[in-house]
This record gives sequence, structure tokens and C-alpha cells, in this order.
Amino acid sequence: AQRVTQPEKLLSVFKGAPVELKCNYSYSGSPELFWYVQYSRQRLQLLLRHISRESIKGFTADLNKGETSFHLKKPFAQEEDSAMYYCALTNDKVIFGPGTSLSVIP
Amino acid sequence: DTGVSQDPRHKITKRGQNVTFRCDPISEHNRLYWYRQTLGQGPEFLTYFQNEAQLEKSRLLSDRFSAERPKGSFSTLEIQRTEQGDSAMYLCASSSHGIRGNTIYFGEGSWLTVV
Repeated sequence: AQRVTQPEKLLSVFKGAPVELKCNYSYSGSPELFWYVQYSRQRLQLLLRHISRESIKGFTADLNKGETSFHLKKPFAQEEDSAMYYCALTNDKVIFGPGTSLSVIP
Repeated sequence: DTGVSQDPRHKITKRGQNVTFRCDPISEHNRLYWYRQTLGQGPEFLTYFQNEAQLEKSRLLSDRFSAERPKGSFSTLEIQRTEQGDSAMYLCASSSHGIRGNTIYFGEGSWLTVV
């Protein structure tokens, strides 16, 4: 079964602290993994995808096939990073995890 | 704004009534997706279209739900005989061809409250 899990519903960090949002997946095949973000009162939008291997807004994520993980990391959290973050995988449709609400404390 | 648009943004209806939501995708996108999202959950897949063909339906889509995309452009999602458990955000998204290698763009969603 294709499934995405995010063990933390809520995560609070202080501004300037490192942040890691955990994501694990189960998928038979070669998954394409994503992180989506939803800022307050805005639509869901793509943050980054594993195949592009790029850093967006200081965030990076490495696909670890051995651990079936795709954790999202940022070395120094900013207040504007406060949002809902969804890990997702795709075959022909996007399958989302339950999301982690990140709160960055000033 | 040439993104995905949804209408209405909010709908309050009495239990047992029918409701219809409309989604206008990005014009050149041939894939269109419907998701449902409840508080504290990630979006759950309902169905998707390639052009006018409905290619997959989730088992979440009971027989009270029907989605159409008659001309391969806009789509409608109708819920008949609404129940309180139907209260949720209904999200529409579109992409160019398949998702692999492409980006899926979401609308702002249509909030449904069944009272």
C-alpha cells in the first residue's frame, strides 16, 4: 500500500534554531517525493521535490530509500516558515501525509 | 490570477440537500484532480481526469458523489443528499500531463458545511 506518515502533528522551534520535519513512506516501486506547504490563508503549494535536488527557502530534503524517509530540514528557522507542511508521494496522483504544523517562536 | 479557481469558496447547506462545486483548471492543463480535506488531516484523493475521461475514483467517493469534466476543461463535483460527514474542504488541482516531472497546482478550495 502507498502511504505517507508524518509522526509530528505539531512542531515548535525558536527562530534561528534548526528544524527537521520527519516523513516516512511506503511504496512499491520508485517513488517521487515532494514537500508541500500551506501558509495561513493561502493555497497549498509545492515547496520542493526530491528529483530536483534544490534548496527552496533554505529547506532541503534527502530521499533515503533504505530508511524510506524524506525528512525536511532547514538549518535556521525563520518566523515566516510557520505553516502547515505536507509530505507527499506520487504515482499518477499525489498521496499526502497528515501534515505537520510548524510554529517558529520569535 | 490564472491559477486554479474554485467556486463557491464557502457553502453552508442543510443535510439532505444537493451541492455542486466547480473547478476551473489552468487552461493548458489536461489533468484535473479532486481532493477532500478535513481538519487535522492531509488532502485525501477523490478522483482525477485526463481531459474528459475520469481515470480513477477513490473508494471515498460514494455513490452520492459524482464528478464530471464534460469538455475537458472545467469540472464539477456534485454531492447528493449531503450528510454532516461531508463537511470538509474540497480541493481541486491541475497539472500538465502526469505528475511525474510536472507540478500540480491547487485551487484555494471550497469549504462545505452541512448543518
